Amino acid sequence: QLVQSGAEVKKPGATVKISCTVSGYNSTEYYMFWVQQAPGKGLEWMGLIDPGDGDTIYAEKFQDRVTFTADTSIDTIYMEVRSLRSEDTAIYYCASWPGDYWGHGTLVTVSS
Amino acid sequence: EIVLTQSPATLSVSPGEGATLSCRASQSISTSLAWFRQKPGQAPRLLIYDASNRATGIPARFTGSGSGTDFTLTISSLEPEDFAVYYCQHRYNWPPALTFGGGTKVEIK
Repeated sequence: QLVQSGAEVKKPGATVKISCTVSGYNSTEYYMFWVQQAPGKGLEWMGLIDPGDGDTIYAEKFQDRVTFTADTSIDTIYMEVRSLRSEDTAIYYCASWPGDYWGHGTLVTVSS
Repeated sequence: EIVLTQSPATLSVSPGEGATLSCRASQSISTSLAWFRQKPGQAPRLLIYDASNRATGIPARFTGSGSGTDFTLTISSLEPEDFAVYYCQHRYNWPPALTFGGGTKVEIK
């Protein structure tokens, strides 16, 4: 099971950090990835983290403003998005590689 | 970069009827393709992996087929919970990465 943090409302230019806590297995067993889903749109892969060693891979679109981190002591991964803009308004999902388990999603709303 | 194109964008089907969804890859991806169902307000759920293997707990009415560039998801008899959006996904093994198709919405006719 993957449990994500709650909905966020942020102003343009702010930073948001979302958490995803793994239960039922060791967080180091699988890569973890993040997906963005804008309102009414499809799924867009943002990148992944290997919680075991912290190695990350970012999709080109997100590499400048997104950072993935992991705290294996509490089986939790994080995604930080900086310099938020209105087009970052979306539901963000964490999931275990390659897609067996998904979090419930975290809605981030960026509005002035 | 491999692009996945799903068709049709919307499929209107009556409950109990069958449905066939298509996913085409811009180049050969062998059988490295998965299918997901996303019900409204929910996270996607894995249905099929490696083109034709049903994931744990997925009923037999879901069948995946294909290899290379052309893939199909067939639903033999639609249940109410099957009216949803379906996505195909390709997994790159190294470096690891994922790409999704644009989705097919299956709606009630």
